[in-house]
Amino acid sequence: DGGITQSPKYLFRKEGQNVTLSCEQNLNHDAMYWYRQDPGQGLRLIYYSQIVNDFQKGDIAEGYSVSREKKESFPLTVTSAQKNPTAFYLCASSQLAGVETQYFGPGTRLLVL
Amino acid sequence: AQSVTQLDSQVPVFEEAPVELRCNYSSSVSVYLFWYVQYPNQGLQLLLKYLSGSTLVKGINGFEAEFNKSQTSFHLRKPSVHISDTAEYFCAVSDMYGGAQKLVFGQGTRLTINP
Repeated sequence: DGGITQSPKYLFRKEGQNVTLSCEQNLNHDAMYWYRQDPGQGLRLIYYSQIVNDFQKGDIAEGYSVSREKKESFPLTVTSAQKNPTAFYLCASSQLAGVETQYFGPGTRLLVL
Repeated sequence: AQSVTQLDSQVPVFEEAPVELRCNYSSSVSVYLFWYVQYPNQGLQLLLKYLSGSTLVKGINGFEAEFNKSQTSFHLRKPSVHISDTAEYFCAVSDMYGGAQKLVFGQGTRLTINP
């Protein structure tokens, strides 16, 4: 089955700690995205990548970092600089040509201890 | 930059009643619109999309939406809802961002179906 997997489903972060959220896709999509979801605010774009070894900041990149070493993988690190990390994080992917549908993973809920 | 407004944060309806979830977008020369559904603690699933052509778009689970350029709206409708339609619904518009396509989402509408 083709799709997007995210792990873990729940993640707990201590103060001053960096944590990494995993996102893997087997859809052979070139583009991948990370969104943050907060209640009543919809989804906001953190980072996106159109090709391996290249990525760009979205609307709320401060306190986050990403890498794209493989086409199928786009991990997100929430650094200690992100002062309000509690949220639901969603990874998505799409083809690059034209206006393409973005397909979403099941999400990771990050909580601060 | 594009923007999307979902006019209702919550919509309660009775089972088998019709429902309309409202979405307005900022005006643009070309606009591409999407409706996604999110069930509790899950990712988003595409319901339908408008790229061009017929202004009435049919999607999965009996939903449809109508693109209205003069009113800059893309409202989602279903003639008869089921308990299983209880979820959060997001309207989104495609925007170009640094050469890449970016989705701009509305704030979401929580649809609650009462028996």
